[in-house]
Amino acid sequence: QKEVEQDPGPLSVPEGAIVSLNCTYSNSAFQYFMWYRQYSRKGPELLMYTYSSGNKEDGRFTAQVDKSSKYISLFIRDSQPSDSATYLCAMKSTGGFKTIFGAGTRLFVKA
Amino acid sequence: NAGVTQTPKFQVLKTGQSMTLQCAQDMNHNSMYWYRQDPGMGLRLIYYSASEGTTDKGEVPNGYNVSRLNKREFSLRLESAAPSQTSVYFCASSEASEGKQRTDTQYFGPGTRLTVL
Repeated sequence: QKEVEQDPGPLSVPEGAIVSLNCTYSNSAFQYFMWYRQYSRKGPELLMYTYSSGNKEDGRFTAQVDKSSKYISLFIRDSQPSDSATYLCAMKSTGGFKTIFGAGTRLFVKA
Repeated sequence: NAGVTQTPKFQVLKTGQSMTLQCAQDMNHNSMYWYRQDPGMGLRLIYYSASEGTTDKGEVPNGYNVSRLNKREFSLRLESAAPSQTSVYFCASSEASEGKQRTDTQYFGPGTRLTVL
């Protein structure tokens, strides 16, 4: 079983829809939870960063962490065609240098 | 600021050939990483370097070697390429250092697409 599970999609939604992207994990030592966005043929870039449990909002993006369920989510409100990309969840424990990435979910937002 | 740069962008090798992928960052970051990205597998860590002069194995180090030439540069070498090493390779850097690993936003380069025939 992988440490981090993420549905690869693809997920196709109409412009303006609310998008929900999710990951589950098995390592209870993870404390830092990240979402990276990767456009086609580009490197990933950090989108959101959350420590431990709770919610974090940044514009149209909301990251949620539920450590009791080992489940994290990224919500995108009023989705735009420019949001079309692959979204990778990532996690790490306190200390150490290794970040574990999910496989990525490919999102298409249709105009 | 160029951020993280990688060369080459594309490469085709024959089985058994060797090559070195180059990576450089201009953000004065302490840590540098090499990942490979394969369909359905996400990013997998090959090697990382927490500081100049140190390197450590990641999840999939077999078949690769690395050199942290100085604080800016971190190279990845394939000594005898195999078709299983066909992948997209990403270099990344972060501020993380020994004793300061919590904040670990990684900045990625544009990637090298490698095909081994």
